Amino acid sequence: EVQLVESGGGLVQPGGSLRLSCAASGFTFSTYWMTWVRQAPGKGLEWAATIKEDGSEKYHVDSVKGRFTISRDNAKNSLYLQMNSLRAEDTAVYYCARDAMRGGDMDVWGKGTTVSV
Amino acid sequence: DIVMTQSPDSLAVSLGERATINCKSSQSVLYSSDNKNYLAWYQQKPGQPPKLLIYWASTRESGVPDRFSGSGSGTDFTLTISSLQAADVAVYYCQQNYNTPKTFGQGTKVEIK
Repeated sequence: EVQLVESGGGLVQPGGSLRLSCAASGFTFSTYWMTWVRQAPGKGLEWAATIKEDGSEKYHVDSVKGRFTISRDNAKNSLYLQMNSLRAEDTAVYYCARDAMRGGDMDVWGKGTTVSV
Repeated sequence: DIVMTQSPDSLAVSLGERATINCKSSQSVLYSSDNKNYLAWYQQKPGQPPKLLIYWASTRESGVPDRFSGSGSGTDFTLTISSLQAADVAVYYCQQNYNTPKTFGQGTKVEIK
């Protein structure tokens, strides 16, 4: 079964750091681009960051540039989001998602992990 | 950045009736090299992650009921639910994946009248 499981969320003080993880299973992780999407309480979806299959290309939304870094470890089938200098407006559910091979739509999603700042 | 604007913000439709959601992008998401529109639709039910319904503007994801259809090209797109079922109560989002940032519309909440 294709699955994504996020972990690492929690309550943190403003200015603090957290590292989110996403464990992938049931597919060849190293052949897919991967994405983090976040959703503030009661709000819509916001794309946060995307990383290429081999980690050589990374893209972040402007609001997190310089504070968040997406990364991956293909040997561990894992995706990460290092979040530094956290702000109240970063409070959200963070979803890990797989980019479909045909393009940038996201065909598999995790259940999410909650970050409260 | 490409801005995605959905309309309406919410709608209430009777069971078995048609629901139509519109999505407009601030610039074309039609990729000339393959003539595909990089526009996706997602459904999100309360307490659940989003679920992909439609990609390339009009191609249904595997397993999605055929009462869901997508149409449009360039900058104007539509998601249609041909015969609303109780299970379709959700928030629907369009998203452009033509370039980064991969922006979403603000969402449309669909309820039963």
